[in-house]
Amino acid sequence: DSGVTQTPKHLITATGQRVTLRCSPRSGDLSVYWYQQSLDQGLQFLIQYYNGEERAKGNILERFSAQQFPDLHSELNLSSLELGDSALYFCASSVGEGLYGYTFGSGTRLTVV
Amino acid sequence: DAKTTQPTSMDCAEGRAANLPCNHSTISGNEYVYWYRQIHSQGPQYIIHGLKNNETNEMASLIITEDRKSSTLILPHATLRDTAVYYCIVRDQTGSSNTGKLIFGQGTTLQVKP
Repeated sequence: DSGVTQTPKHLITATGQRVTLRCSPRSGDLSVYWYQQSLDQGLQFLIQYYNGEERAKGNILERFSAQQFPDLHSELNLSSLELGDSALYFCASSVGEGLYGYTFGSGTRLTVV
Repeated sequence: DAKTTQPTSMDCAEGRAANLPCNHSTISGNEYVYWYRQIHSQGPQYIIHGLKNNETNEMASLIITEDRKSSTLILPHATLRDTAVYYCIVRDQTGSSNTGKLIFGQGTTLQVKP
């Protein structure tokens, strides 16, 4: 157990639907990062939050949004889902800006049918 | 943009040292070298990082050349459980780009064989 908790572990949904992925960071970590990993794209950085504020954005689609709450957990919302959104979604957390590395969760496997 | 170049795949015999190379010829003075690994579909795992000096921890050693244009991750006694994709990443720790985000490339698939 890395200390980063992601729920759910698996999610199957239909095209056009909306889902929410949840991440609880390791105790004491203020930064949360979201990554998408599909078979043909590798690990893609989506977005980072630090203590509730958006800190960095990657190639995150407009259909996707995220937030970090006062208790530091984060949610990634994916809407108008397409088949191509099927992927593993990882959350990671770090103390500060991650100088000493991130800790990743075990991921949420999203399948869009 | 990829800042590192790694071989696509490597094999290593169990019990031997695994030496994974990484080229980062355009690295700048503020950029650290990080290594992570990902064991089949699990979340990536931090291994080690360094700036100039060689580093060692309980998992691995990191050797950075004097000109910092390349580095080698060494797993001293590889086991079957070290079979994974290994990612070498450079990251700027300072200034406005110091957001903490890591950009992963394609990595090296290390296969440890009995």
